[in-house]
Amino acid sequence: TQLLEQSPQFLSIQEGENLTVYCNSSSVFSSLQWYRQEPGEGPVLLVTVVTGGEVKKLKRLTFQFGDARKDSSLHITAAQPGDTGLYLCAGKGTSQGNLIFGKGTKLSVKP
Amino acid sequence: SAVISQKPSRDICQRGTSLTIQCQVDSQVTMMFWYRQQPGQSLTLIATANQGSEATYESGFVIDKFPISRPNLTFSTLTVSNMSPEDSSIYLCSVGAAYEQYFGPGTRLTVT
Repeated sequence: TQLLEQSPQFLSIQEGENLTVYCNSSSVFSSLQWYRQEPGEGPVLLVTVVTGGEVKKLKRLTFQFGDARKDSSLHITAAQPGDTGLYLCAGKGTSQGNLIFGKGTKLSVKP
Repeated sequence: SAVISQKPSRDICQRGTSLTIQCQVDSQVTMMFWYRQQPGQSLTLIATANQGSEATYESGFVIDKFPISRPNLTFSTLTVSNMSPEDSSIYLCSVGAAYEQYFGPGTRLTVT
């Protein structure tokens, strides 16, 4: 069974701080996706990483896929209150497989 | 990306009753997925629904409890049958291809 471990589970920081969320597994994934979910809404896809070692940037968010495609990280620079939400990583064992979700990181950014 | 709508957005139901959740997509898709998100938890896949065939259920989920319909390429329903308080969750519809998956806004179900 493929599992994705996310850490930390909860994170409360002040506006302007930097943070990193980790997503780790002992299994290899063909792709990994990051989502943000706000209360009362469904998860919104932020990025998909496919290639080992790949780095993608989305404004203040930087996503990295590990060289062995077993882990990923999300780094947020100068966090803002609008970044508050539940961040979920999800991986696919194969391109046709189902998504496996981590348990999520609940981020709170205080003004 | 796909635009997905769900009805109802939320409901409060009594134990022993059933609720049918509708999912509508703005484009034709082959596969639709139904997920459950229990309070404070991550997403768990209930089943995959392909048009024209029986839904495929994940371990721990059965058709009698969660019957699914998929009458065409833009619509699906999930019924939560004989509900108990343990069924209180957010139920999410999703569509996707190999590297991108999109979610509806969810249906928040509370069973009393």
